[in-house]
Amino acid sequence: DVKVTQSSRYLVKRTGEKVFLECVQDMDHENMFWYRQDPGLGLRLIYFSYDVKMKEKGDIPEGYSVSREKKERFSLILESASTNQTSMYLCASSFPRQGSSYEQYFGPGTRLTVT
Amino acid sequence: QKEVEQNSGPLSVPEGAIASLNCTYSDRGSQSFFWYRQYSGKSPELIMFIYSNGDKEDGRFTAQLNKASQYVSLLIRDSQPSDSATYLCALMNTGFQKLVFGTGTRLLVSP
Repeated sequence: DVKVTQSSRYLVKRTGEKVFLECVQDMDHENMFWYRQDPGLGLRLIYFSYDVKMKEKGDIPEGYSVSREKKERFSLILESASTNQTSMYLCASSFPRQGSSYEQYFGPGTRLTVT
Repeated sequence: QKEVEQNSGPLSVPEGAIASLNCTYSDRGSQSFFWYRQYSGKSPELIMFIYSNGDKEDGRFTAQLNKASQYVSLLIRDSQPSDSATYLCALMNTGFQKLVFGTGTRLLVSP
């Protein structure tokens, strides 16, 4: 079974703090993604990565950065947390093998509250 | 127009009935379509995907795709209270490996 893990289920940070969210997958997947999910807005893509040290902006990258130094690990960084970044953060991975439909598998999520 | 549209619901069905969840999309180049189930406070889990016109069955679930009419649906037969969740429709656009998600339909199955 695919396993995607995230470093924290719940996190409370103060405005202006630098926040690190970690995601690890154990299936040798090439692609990894970071989303945030807010009521009424659905899942919105922040950043994604197709390979080690490679990153692409998603739909809402402002205020975030990412790092992928190893294939299995994809980190989301909030440079200076703000209250409007309070949200559920979801990591996902997929494996673009031939014949794959690029289905994504999600981690359990991190509920971040910025006060 | 949103790329992926779903009725937010809630869709209420009695236990044992067929639940029908629908999704329409705007990009005719979309190639693959996915249904995810998300329980409250949990992350989405993949139910099934479909990329050819017609029906695809997996247990109590059937996905239906009609590319000409640009809709995809999910039927849940013999609905159970444990099926109560939000169902997310997603698609993959041509040439990309990203998924675009709808905002989900909330399903309530009453005993």
